[in-house]
Amino acid sequence: QKEVEQDPGPLSVPEGAIVSLNCTYSNSAFQYFMWYRQYSRKGPELLMYTYSSGNKEDGRFTAQVDKSSKYISLFIRDSQPSDSATYLCAMSAAGTGANNLFFGTGTRLTVIP
Amino acid sequence: DAGITQSPRHKVTETGTPVTLRCHQTENHRYMYWYRQDPGHGLRLIHYSYGVKDTDKGEVSDGYSVSRSKTEDFLLTLESATSSQTSVYFCAIKAGEGGDTQYFGPGTRLTVL
Repeated sequence: QKEVEQDPGPLSVPEGAIVSLNCTYSNSAFQYFMWYRQYSRKGPELLMYTYSSGNKEDGRFTAQVDKSSKYISLFIRDSQPSDSATYLCAMSAAGTGANNLFFGTGTRLTVIP
Repeated sequence: DAGITQSPRHKVTETGTPVTLRCHQTENHRYMYWYRQDPGHGLRLIHYSYGVKDTDKGEVSDGYSVSRSKTEDFLLTLESATSSQTSVYFCAIKAGEGGDTQYFGPGTRLTVL
C-alpha cells in the first residue's frame, strides 16, 4: 500500500464549476500537507500549504485537512481554463531536518471553456 | 522558480553511458533533493543533501550517485544509464513557510535508448 493515495483522474469540468481533489494517507505521523500544481512539461509549483488539521483559504482555493480520517482535499471555486493542470498532494511528518515529502501520483484536471 | 536551474533540460543518451545532471540554486538553501517523475508513480525521491558533502539515499537510489561540493550545486550521476532510467528529473530545495516546503526546478527530460 502506498503511503499516499490519489485518484489519477482524469477529471473534466466546465468553466465555473467547483472542483474537489482528494488524497488519503496511511501514516498518522504526517502533519504538514501541501498541494502542488504542475502544468504540462513544467516543474511542480507550490499552491497551498497547511499544518495539521483545519482549513486554509487563498483566493479561489481552499485546502482542508482531516487528520482523524487521514484525508485531505483541495477545492477550486469558479474554475478557469487556466486551472487545467495536474494537481499533486504531498505531505511530511517533520518540519525540521531533511523533511522528506511523500507525494500522491497526481490528478489531471481539465477545465472546459 | 525559487532561483533553481537545471541543466541540461533535455538529453538523449545510449544505454551504458554515464550521465550527469546539474542543479544550481542561487539562494544558499541547505537542503536539496533529486526526484524522478514517472507515469503512475508520481514523484519519487532519489537522493537528497543536507549540506556540502552531506548526502543520503532516497526511495529509488539504485543506479544513481550524487555529489555536492558547493552549496549552490547538486549533481546527479547515472553511472551506467539504463532504459528504466528514462524519466523526468526534478531538483528541489527546502524553503518557505516554516522552512518545510519544497520548491522545484523546471526539470530535465532524459531519454535512454
